[in-house]
Amino acid sequence: EVHLVESGGVVVQPGGSLRLSCAASGFTFDDYTMHWVRQAPGQGLEWVSLVTWDGGSTYYADSVKGRFTISRDNSKNSLYLQMSSLRTEDTAFYYCAKAAYYSSTWFLDYWGQGTLVTVSS
Amino acid sequence: SYVLTQPPSVSVAPGKTARITCGGNNIGSKSVHWYRQKPGQAPVLVIYYDSDRPSGIPERFSGSNSGNTATLTISRVEAGDEADYYCQLWNSSSDHPVVFGGGTKLTVL
Repeated sequence: EVHLVESGGVVVQPGGSLRLSCAASGFTFDDYTMHWVRQAPGQGLEWVSLVTWDGGSTYYADSVKGRFTISRDNSKNSLYLQMSSLRTEDTAFYYCAKAAYYSSTWFLDYWGQGTLVTVSS
Repeated sequence: SYVLTQPPSVSVAPGKTARITCGGNNIGSKSVHWYRQKPGQAPVLVIYYDSDRPSGIPERFSGSNSGNTATLTISRVEAGDEADYYCQLWNSSSDHPVVFGGGTKLTVL
C-alpha cells in the first residue's frame, strides 16, 4: 500500500527558511516523478513543484520560483522542499503527491496527508 | 498559462445526479483528471484520463470531456459525496505543467 508522510511544517517568521520532507513507502520510489501541491486555508489547490524520477528535471510555479527548491534522495525514499524567503502568502498545507502517467498525460494518484506551514510574525 | 474554470458551488438532492463542469480553451483536446477532497482530508483521485475510474471509486462517478467543457457526473448522490471537487490537466507545452481548477463545493441538500 502506498504511503506518503509529510513532515517539517511549523510556524516561521517572514523571510525565514524551512525544509519539508516526505517519506514514501509501498512503491518503487525511484521509478516515479513526485510533486508538491499546497492549499492555503479555505482555498483551492495550487501546484508548487515537481521533480523527475532521477532528480534530473525540476519545475516550479511562478509564485515560488527562485525561493523554493525541490529535491529527492532515492536511497532514502524521500522527497524534500527547501523553502526560503518565506512570505505570509506561503502559509498553507503542503502535500506531496506521487505522479502517474497514462496515455500522454500525468496525474496524481496518491497524496500524503499534508503538513501545515504558517508564516507569521 | 492555461486556465481551468469551475463553478464555486453545486447543490443536489440525495439520489439525484450532480454534474460539475470544468471549462477551458479546447479542453476536449486534453486529458482531464478529477479529485475529491473532504474536509480535513487530502485530495483523492476519482477520475483520470477524462473518464477512467481508479480502483475503489464507485461506478456512480463518471467523466466526459468535449469542446470547451469537461464534466464530472455523480449519479445517485449520497450524503458522503459532499466535498470539494477539483479538475486538473497536464499542460505539456508549459513550464508549469500541472493546472488545477479553482474547485467546486458539492452540497448534498
